[in-house]
Amino acid sequence: DSGVTQTPKHLITATGQRVTLRCSPRSGDLSVYWYQQSLDQGLQFLIQYYNGEERAKGNILERFSAQQFPDLHSELNLSSLELGDSALYFCASSVVGTSGINNEQFFGPGTRLTVL
Amino acid sequence: AQKVTQAQTEISVVEKEDVTLDCVYETRDTTYYLFWYKQPPSGELVFLIRRNSFDEQNEISGRYSWNFQKSTSSFNFTITASQVVDSAVYFCALSEDRDDKIIFGKGTRLHILP
Repeated sequence: DSGVTQTPKHLITATGQRVTLRCSPRSGDLSVYWYQQSLDQGLQFLIQYYNGEERAKGNILERFSAQQFPDLHSELNLSSLELGDSALYFCASSVVGTSGINNEQFFGPGTRLTVL
Repeated sequence: AQKVTQAQTEISVVEKEDVTLDCVYETRDTTYYLFWYKQPPSGELVFLIRRNSFDEQNEISGRYSWNFQKSTSSFNFTITASQVVDSAVYFCALSEDRDDKIIFGKGTRLHILP
């Protein structure tokens, strides 16, 4: 158990809908990262937040957005869902948001999103 | 540009055989970190190892060993005396010092046959 929690575990929805994925980082971790694992793209970095602020952006679609709240939990919002958004979404957390020896990331169990 | 290549898409070996998973990386940074993760059928990502670019010592952990060679930009992973429980997808990954994002390879699906 990494200490990172993600809810829900599974989510099934229809095209055009909007969903919210939630992540609670390990106690004391200030950084949260979101990754998407799809059959087409593999495992790819989406976005990072550090202490409430966006720190880095990867291949995140404009239909997707994220935020990190004062209690450090994070939410990934996916809107106007398409079939291709079906994937496993991982959240990870780390102590700091800057590079260096403390960039070890601990991954949550993932949320499996199915868009029908 | 940063990139991780795992040329082996899928490997099948018989239990108790040794198997090596290859990983080649590209980066412009002199300081970077390399990782291996295991993803069993249940789907979670299990951290196996992190190695920084200044530490080229090979590492052994039980039946697992890693060979890091900067000269060939490779970070290969060997499982000795494989077991059925080793069946999983294994990801090699890279993180540069300039930021924290982890760049993953496409993964190698390993089947250990009884």
